[in-house]
Amino acid sequence: ETGVTQSPTHLIKTRGQQVTLRCSSQSGHNTVSWYQQALGQGPQFIFQYYREEENGRGNFPPRFSGLQFPNYSSELNVNALELDDSALYLCASSLSGTLTDTQYFGPGTRLTVL
Amino acid sequence: LAKTTQPISMDSYEGQEVNITCSHNNIATNDYITWYQQFPSQGPRFIIQGYKTKVTNEVASLFIPADRKSSTLSLPRVSLSDTAVYYCLVARNTGNQFYFGTGTSLTVIP
Repeated sequence: ETGVTQSPTHLIKTRGQQVTLRCSSQSGHNTVSWYQQALGQGPQFIFQYYREEENGRGNFPPRFSGLQFPNYSSELNVNALELDDSALYLCASSLSGTLTDTQYFGPGTRLTVL
Repeated sequence: LAKTTQPISMDSYEGQEVNITCSHNNIATNDYITWYQQFPSQGPRFIIQGYKTKVTNEVASLFIPADRKSSTLSLPRVSLSDTAVYYCLVARNTGNQFYFGTGTSLTVIP
């Protein structure tokens, strides 16, 4: 157990809808990163938040957005859902915004877009 | 973009040493290499991290040659519980980016 929790566990949406996924980071960690993992593939980096500011972003369109709260928990919002957004969404917390920090992953949220 | 490539799958017998190589030809000077293990329906779990030469911890060793264009994760004496997917990750300082490899599915056979 990493101490990183995500909710919900599973989610089913239809194309065009919006979704919000949540992540609670490990105690003492101020950095959260989000990844998208399609079936059978490696995780793809979406973005990272450090002390409530976006600290890095992967190659994802603006309809993927996020927030980090003062308690360092985080949300991932996806607007205008597309079928290809179906994936496991992982969040990972780390101690600080340092590149070499170990990332501790949650169990993920499985999103299915119909 | 840091493209990382790994073999899709590997089989090994229990008790053997397993070496999994990741290719990262366009690695940059300040990039770090980390390896993760992932079981089905779980998030990846940290194994080991390095920058160059050799790093060893209680579960694995990581070998990185001088040119850093590849890295090799070495698992000594694997057991059935080591059956999982193994990913290399290149962490890039410029722009704070993280690139996972394609993953290697390791099956340990009794």
